[in-house]
Amino acid sequence: ETGVTQSPTHLIKTRGQQVTLRCSSQSGHNTVSWYQQALGQGPQFIFQYYREEENGRGNFPPRFSGLQFPNYSSELNVNALELDDSALYLCASSLFLAGGSTDTQYFGPGTRLTVL
Amino acid sequence: GDSVTQMEGPVTLSEEAFLTINCTYTATGYPSLFWYVQYPGEGLQLLLKATKADDKGSNKGFEATYRKETTSFHLEKGSVQVSDSAVYFCALSDRKAGANSKLTFGKGITLSVRP
Repeated sequence: ETGVTQSPTHLIKTRGQQVTLRCSSQSGHNTVSWYQQALGQGPQFIFQYYREEENGRGNFPPRFSGLQFPNYSSELNVNALELDDSALYLCASSLFLAGGSTDTQYFGPGTRLTVL
Repeated sequence: GDSVTQMEGPVTLSEEAFLTINCTYTATGYPSLFWYVQYPGEGLQLLLKATKADDKGSNKGFEATYRKETTSFHLEKGSVQVSDSAVYFCALSDRKAGANSKLTFGKGITLSVRP
């Protein structure tokens, strides 16, 4: 069973630039969620994707956007980077079955983004 | 909205000491509860979970019981090891119908175990 993978591992950008982070979900999973973890804090929910559509969003501005592909992998895009966007970005995958609810989420190793 | 409160840290223990990390929550409905662990430089690993009141989750010697009456999910281990040194996060899942369940995390607590 393949776990959740993320790329790249580390990334350095400057303020105002745009960034794309990638995530491959665990085999058999169809839902991907993205979280932002600032230094010394717990992860904060950004959004979730299911069936290639955004399905729930946390308190993040529209410059945070995403995609989910037919193979259930996902991208997180952040435009107009700000210094406060520096964080560890975590992707989590889970399985949603029709008639049920998404529950246990399994996390990837994260992408460390530094904005200078 | 939903929230999770963890005891303030950090916590430093000697090897073989007893561990308790407190976690309380506020949620509407009946959330699932989780403990995740984060080792230095890594992502989150699921440690254990409980999905309904009075359920006990357990893994690797760690245990936590879902207490609805006190809205708590305290993590315990009878004898910690140096390898248990990590950051521990308590979390809840709102379990809404449909694929929009999100995790709400506490701030985390750093555990250091001395040989």
